[in-house]
Amino acid sequence: DSGVTQTPKHLITATGQRVTLRCSPRSGDLSVYWYQQSLDQGLQFLIQYYNGEERAKGNILERFSAQQFPDLHSELNLSSLELGDSALYFCASSNRPGGSYNEQFFGPGTRLTVL
Amino acid sequence: GQQLNQSPQSMFIQEGEDVSMNCTSSSIFNTWLWYKQDPGEGPVLLIALYKAGELTSNGRLTAQFGITRKDSFLNISASIPSDVGIYFCAGQPGGYGGSQGNLIFGKGTKLSVKP
Repeated sequence: DSGVTQTPKHLITATGQRVTLRCSPRSGDLSVYWYQQSLDQGLQFLIQYYNGEERAKGNILERFSAQQFPDLHSELNLSSLELGDSALYFCASSNRPGGSYNEQFFGPGTRLTVL
Repeated sequence: GQQLNQSPQSMFIQEGEDVSMNCTSSSIFNTWLWYKQDPGEGPVLLIALYKAGELTSNGRLTAQFGITRKDSFLNISASIPSDVGIYFCAGQPGGYGGSQGNLIFGKGTKLSVKP
């Protein structure tokens, strides 16, 4: 158990809908990262928050957004869903904003299926 | 964008054999991490490397951070059935001065162990 929690475990929805994925980092960790894992693209970095502020942005679509709340939990919002958004979404946390010794610990993931 | 080339893509070995896999990049990384992922689970951190030339062990696992900072390898000695899974290398790009912590992942090495 990494100490990172994600809900829900599974999510099935229809095209055009909007969903929210939730992540609670390990106790004491200030950085939260979101990654998408699909069969063809592998694990891709989406976005990082550190202590409530956006820190880095990766291959995140404009239809996707995220935020980190004062209690440090984070939510990833996916809207206007398309079939191609079906994937595993992972949250990871670390106690540093970046640089050396920035070990990231992953949650169990949310499997999103768009029908 | 930056990419990691991980090889081999898959390995099918006999229990007790040693395993070696590696990752290379055209860019410099300041951190190399090795993860293992079981089906339906999140990646689990195995070994973290922070300095060029560093050699680190974790039980039967040994990993090294290449001198050029553009490669890393992972060795597993005396493999056992529970070593089955997908192993990922991940690098944190250098040059951000510690402000960003996103990881770039290899495509993974799928390890199968025959008893």
